[in-house]
Amino acid sequence: DAMVIQNPRYQVTQFGKPVTLSCSQTLNHNVMYWYQQKSSQAPKLLFHYYDKDFNNEADTPDNFQSRRPNTSFCFLDIRSPGLGDAAMYLCATSRGQGPQTQYFGPGTRLLVL
Amino acid sequence: DQQVKQNSPSLSVQEGRISILNCDYTNSMFDYFLWYKKYPAEGPTFLISISSIKDKNEDGRFTVFLNKSAKHLSLHIVPSQPGDSAVYFCAASPHSSNTGKLIFGQGTTLQVKP
Repeated sequence: DAMVIQNPRYQVTQFGKPVTLSCSQTLNHNVMYWYQQKSSQAPKLLFHYYDKDFNNEADTPDNFQSRRPNTSFCFLDIRSPGLGDAAMYLCATSRGQGPQTQYFGPGTRLLVL
Repeated sequence: DQQVKQNSPSLSVQEGRISILNCDYTNSMFDYFLWYKKYPAEGPTFLISISSIKDKNEDGRFTVFLNKSAKHLSLHIVPSQPGDSAVYFCAASPHSSNTGKLIFGQGTTLQVKP
């Protein structure tokens, strides 16, 4: 089945220790998104890639970076995690231009100690 | 500034009855709306969508209504089933977005009682 996969499902890191979350897709979609969702809040878009073009949201902290080495994979790097970065991180994909349905992975829950 | 709002954090409905989940938005540039369903420990799953050129879209037990003048949309589930118990998010996409950017509401937790 075509899908969006996120690894790991749960990640524990220490305050200030860099961490990388990964996302892969078999849908061959052009666009990949990263969202942060804190408890009882709306998923918040951090950034997205349209093919190799990176689009950062204006209010995404510099602490968050992303890489997309190829169509299938996208990584979220948190350079120096703080306690406030503990959240669910959701990866999604869509085909491309115009209003599109986004397809989500299961998410990675990040805990910062 | 929350552009998409789901004012009811939770809703409880008896099995077999209708569930109505509501969503309000403030940005008149939104022209595509979606509903997602989320179970615990899973990512959101797409349910149904509607374009701003329509006022209703139906898919099986799920119907989405759009009232553009009121900037309001609703999701009707008829009949409700216990398996529908989940968090429901509405989302909107602005016309100006060429990469399908979505703005989400905070979600409504639906509980369907047997």
